[in-house]
Amino acid sequence: QKEVEQDPGPLSVPEGAIVSLNCTYSNSAFQYFMWYRQYSRKGPELLMYTYSSGNKEDGRFTAQVDKSSKYISLFIRDSQPSDSATYLCPFSGSARQLTFGSGTQLTVLP
Amino acid sequence: DSGVTQTPKHLITATGQRVTLRCSPRSGDLSVYWYQQSLDQGLQFLIQYYNGEERAKGNILERFSAQQFPDLHSELNLSSLELGDSALYFCASSGYMGSYEQYFGPGTRLTVT
Repeated sequence: QKEVEQDPGPLSVPEGAIVSLNCTYSNSAFQYFMWYRQYSRKGPELLMYTYSSGNKEDGRFTAQVDKSSKYISLFIRDSQPSDSATYLCPFSGSARQLTFGSGTQLTVLP
Repeated sequence: DSGVTQTPKHLITATGQRVTLRCSPRSGDLSVYWYQQSLDQGLQFLIQYYNGEERAKGNILERFSAQQFPDLHSELNLSSLELGDSALYFCASSGYMGSYEQYFGPGTRLTVT
């Protein structure tokens, strides 16, 4: 079983839509939750991180963690074409190395 | 800009050759991680260094090696290159041993012909 399972996508939405990106994880010891954004062939960019259940907001982005359900989400409000990218929710290992899935590819159509 | 720099941006070389990729972490960061991303593949962890010492290894081939120097920059050496080694190579840095957040560089695109 993979440490983190992510909605495979691809996801295509119109500009201005609210986007929901989701991951589930299997390891209860998983305590630190991060979202990265990767534009095509560019370095991943750390978007948000949190270690607690609940919501964390940063501008148009909200990260939501439900530890009881082992479920993490990223919401993007008022999505823009510039949000078109692949979104990643990696698992952090014992040495803090990150294990990435294939991510969810998002396209925001103007 | 993450503050992590990588050189060169692009590298084209032939099979059997050896190349060196360089990474400078963010100012003050002690940990450096190397990742490989093949075409249409996810990021794969290769190796981690912390303050000059190797701390963790992932799926790194024996033909690949790395080191971190006293000034904290790191180099990834790839030898006896094969076509399948063509990929993007990213390094990431983090501030201290227990830190989770990693900041990625722009990557080096390696093409083996």
